[in-house]
Amino acid sequence: GAGVSQSPSNKVTEKGKDVELRCDPISGHTALYWYRQSLGQGLEFLIYFQGNSAPDKSGLPSDRFSAERTGGSVSTLTIQRTQQEDSAVYLCASSFGRNARTDTQYFGPGTRLTVL
Amino acid sequence: AQSVTQLDSQVPVFEEAPVELRCNYSSSVSVYLFWYVQYPNQGLQLLLKYLSGSTLVKGINGFEAEFNKSQTSFHLRKPSVHISDTDVYFCGVCDRWVRAQKLVFGQGTRLTINP
Repeated sequence: GAGVSQSPSNKVTEKGKDVELRCDPISGHTALYWYRQSLGQGLEFLIYFQGNSAPDKSGLPSDRFSAERTGGSVSTLTIQRTQQEDSAVYLCASSFGRNARTDTQYFGPGTRLTVL
Repeated sequence: AQSVTQLDSQVPVFEEAPVELRCNYSSSVSVYLFWYVQYPNQGLQLLLKYLSGSTLVKGINGFEAEFNKSQTSFHLRKPSVHISDTDVYFCGVCDRWVRAQKLVFGQGTRLTINP
């Protein structure tokens, strides 16, 4: 079946612009995660959604970052007023969600964001 | 806060030789442990995970890892590597008792297989 998909695959933007990154999880997966992979910080957790529960935003680095998940499926990560340090690969993952702590996370190919 | 240390940023080995990729974590609380592989321009794929039970965990592609609580380690091993194993490997950990599987990853180890 189809895996996790992310769009766009590459995004180049100018400093100060807003960007939206999209994630389509595996059908039927109720848990969805966003991670950021950057040269300086490695791979870090950003935000977690589980069904209709309030998201866990504990990993978001600043209030310029926000995410939503519509209808329990597609998620959008928005970065406002982008800065050069936001340049990274943004990875989305989903899992079945029955036991979020132990279920396998399936990762998408990522969106490479470059802020000029 | 938890942290994960992958002691080697790069590991070169010859084809058909054994390999060990080292991973140590900092937390003293109960954890779940994971190894992922990242293929070029792709996301991460789970190799194996330790949740409970036997400390020796077997995964895909002939990899295995051993959980050592006293040393807070979870080293990944393969007895005989192939050219196709050339990739970047990430060790991850999460607390058992938090709501979600918020993985904390190491910096990654690039495994290079030489013919």
